[in-house]
Order: sequence, then structure tokens, then C-alpha cells
Amino acid sequence: ETGVTQTPRHLVMGMTNKKSLKCEQHLGHNAMYWYKQSAKKPLELMFVYSLEERVENNSVPSRFSPECPNSSHLFLHLHTLQPEDSALYLCASSQDRWGETQYFGPGTRLLVL
Amino acid sequence: AQKITQTQPGMFVQEKEAVTLDCTYDTSDQSYGLFWYKQPSSGEMIFLIYQGSYDEQNATEGRYSLNFQKARKSANLVISASQLGDSAMYFCAIESQTGANNLFFGTGTRLTVIP
Repeated sequence: ETGVTQTPRHLVMGMTNKKSLKCEQHLGHNAMYWYKQSAKKPLELMFVYSLEERVENNSVPSRFSPECPNSSHLFLHLHTLQPEDSALYLCASSQDRWGETQYFGPGTRLLVL
Repeated sequence: AQKITQTQPGMFVQEKEAVTLDCTYDTSDQSYGLFWYKQPSSGEMIFLIYQGSYDEQNATEGRYSLNFQKARKSANLVISASQLGDSAMYFCAIESQTGANNLFFGTGTRLTVIP
């Protein structure tokens, strides 16, 4: 148990659906991250929040919309996804944005039909 | 820009033996950090060990040690006394400690421990 939880653990959705992924950290950290892990590819950083402010967006399509209402919660809102968006979505948190170890949640395995 | 190369897609090791997982990196930064994570089939990325670029001693955490050779830009993970529960994907990552401070991961090595 790393103190970072993600729900749901598995999600199947159609291309016209709207769904949200939730991440919660119980570590008192100030920075949170969304990563995408596709088969046989390195983890890709999607979004970074520091003190609830988005500090980085790595050219992610607008069909992915993050939300960070407070330092403990991070959401990833999904709409009109494509089959190639099927992947494992991992949330992570770190004490601060600079030079701190990131601790990951268990991930949400997403399948887009 | 940062880059991590893990050249071993898969490795096998006998239970109770030691195994080395290779990692080389490329960076133009003077200050950086190197991480190893373990990812079991459940999906969670578990932090194992950290090495700072200015650390003179190789990092150790229990059965994990990091063989840091700065001149060769390598940061190999050594797992001693392998256990069946060590079977998983292992990822090496680098983080710049100047600028954006993002983590860049390699493609991973799948370790299988044989009874």
C-alpha cells in the first residue's frame, strides 16, 4: 500500500462515452501526475499538478481533461476516446515538484471499444 | 533531453541467485536522479531505489543495490537472493533536477524468477 489509490481499477467504454478516472493520495504530497502506459512503450507523462495548479501538459489531446480540486485528489475526465487510448493510466504523487520520489497508484486499465 | 535505455526485454534468474538488470542513460544535465521501479502484474509501480548523480556511494535498499557508473552513464540494478515474488517488470527512470524535473522511463525488463 503506497498511499495512492485509483478508481476504477478497470474500465471499458465506448468511443462516445464520458467517464472519469479518480486518484487520491493520502501522503500529504503537493504534486500529482497522470501517466499513460501503452503496451511495449515507456510511460508517458500526461499532466502535472503542483499545489493544485497545472504546471505541465505534454501535448495531450483535448479528449483528456484533468482536474485537481485539492492537493489530495486528481481526476482525469475522458470523452470521445479512440481505441488507441486503451492503456494503463497511472497516477503518482510526490512531496514537491522538484527532485522528489514519485509514488504510484495501482493504475486504471482502460479499454476503449 | 533525457533518455533511458534498457536493452534486456526479458531476464531469467534462479531463485536465491543474484541478477543484474541493465540501464544506461543519456542526459546533458549535471544534476539528475536515477530511479528503479518494479511493476508486478497488478499494475502498480513500486519505488525500489534512488541514486543521485552526486552521490559517491552506490545506493542500497535491502536486497536491491544500484551499480552506478557515472562515466559510463549506467545505473544497473542488482537484486540479490532472488525470490519468486521478484518476478515483475522493472523500469529504470531518470529525473533532471534542473528545469522541468520530469521522470523519463525506459521500456522495462521483465524478470522471471525460476523455482
